[in-house]
Amino acid sequence: SQKIEQNSEALNIQEGKTATLTCNYTNYSPAYLQWYRQDPGRGPVFLLLIRENEKEKRKERLKVTFDTTLKQSLFHITASQPADSATYLCALLQYSGGGADGLTFGKGTHLIIQP
Amino acid sequence: NAGVTQTPKFQVLKTGQSMTLQCAQDMNHEYMSWYRQDPGMGLRLIHYSVGAGITDQGEVPNGYNVSRSTTEDFPLRLLSAAPSQTSVYFCASSYSSQGNTEAFFGQGTRLTVV
Repeated sequence: SQKIEQNSEALNIQEGKTATLTCNYTNYSPAYLQWYRQDPGRGPVFLLLIRENEKEKRKERLKVTFDTTLKQSLFHITASQPADSATYLCALLQYSGGGADGLTFGKGTHLIIQP
Repeated sequence: NAGVTQTPKFQVLKTGQSMTLQCAQDMNHEYMSWYRQDPGMGLRLIHYSVGAGITDQGEVPNGYNVSRSTTEDFPLRLLSAAPSQTSVYFCASSYSSQGNTEAFFGQGTRLTVV
């Protein structure tokens, strides 16, 4: 079955350092991979989308890589700030015999940036 | 631009009661979906729709019904609430069903079944 794993439930990083979050997947051949941020009591908010033919995508202090050979995406936040503290989710399109079934999410990594 | 609007934000139900969670979007998106989020389980897809009149089951559809009579609205019905349905429910919409466009989420409905 298709499976998405995010590297850890929680990650503590000192302010100013680079935070790196991992998303691994099995039994997928995704054309796209997405990353979302979720704050407590709120719905997820889209951050970045990367295509299978893109090795890297950047947006301000955010960088996403996509390695379809390793079946892995890395999400980096450079010069991290306490305001970056949140849960980060990766998502892939799920397919079954009937076609696309919708986005499947990993369980998320809770990132804590300590001042 | 309101985006995706869910109502109510909080609800307490007794076991066996029925209710409808409302979801509306004003972005003319064809694709809409419902997720539930439980501690340690992440977001799990309940039902989705690729357009008015078309719905399909996701990973955890049992105990829930949906319909899509208009592009804007995608209500989720709990037929006979059970404590196992205590969860936070999120509605989402996107322009495409192919995973190549961002999904917009509502604020969520926190449901408690006692």
